[in-house]
Amino acid sequence: RKEVEQDPGPFNVPEGATVAFNCTYSNSASQSFFWYRQDCRKEPKLLMSVYSSGNEDGRFTAQLNRASQYISLLIRDSKLSDSATYLCVVTPNSGNTPLVFGKGTRLSVIA
Amino acid sequence: NAGVTQTPKFQVLKTGQSMTLQCAQDMNHEYMSWYRQDPGMGLRLIHYSVGAGITDQGEVPNGYNVSRSTTEDFPLRLLSAAPSQTSVYFCASSYSAARGITDTQYFGPGTRLTVL
Repeated sequence: RKEVEQDPGPFNVPEGATVAFNCTYSNSASQSFFWYRQDCRKEPKLLMSVYSSGNEDGRFTAQLNRASQYISLLIRDSKLSDSATYLCVVTPNSGNTPLVFGKGTRLSVIA
Repeated sequence: NAGVTQTPKFQVLKTGQSMTLQCAQDMNHEYMSWYRQDPGMGLRLIHYSVGAGITDQGEVPNGYNVSRSTTEDFPLRLLSAAPSQTSVYFCASSYSAARGITDTQYFGPGTRLTVL
């Protein structure tokens, strides 16, 4: 099983739709979790961290399920500008262990 | 702050040539890293550094060298370029290695390298 797995998509959704992505991770000792966003031919940028209690930032909600070892990202009221690739990122352990990136899920929001 | 800068933006090499991709950050970040990104492969870690004078290998280090003589700079050297090294290369940094690699990673704009 790969360390971090994501459905590559693409997810094609109409404007205003709600869309959810899941990401599974294999290392139960993983400490920190993030969602990054990458626009076409650009660098990845942090979208949000994922906390154990779940967290929300405007239209975006991130949740962590440690028992099932997955994190999720929910986008409500999708905008055209949400079209991008969303990368799931996991820190395997505490300390100086590098981040592990998923391959990303591509989202296209259609007018 | 300029953030993380990378040069060049684009580069074409012939097989066997060597070159250095430059990365610099002006945020006094301890942790710096190099990734390559290929279609369908996601971001793969090449080398990383938790501070000046300290480097370590990532997932795909073969064919690449790094050094970290200053906090600001983390150059990536391709020793003898091969077509398999055609990729987009991203440099990233984050604030504190002591807190673990849990801080926000700031990425440079990338270098698009083609090896013929």
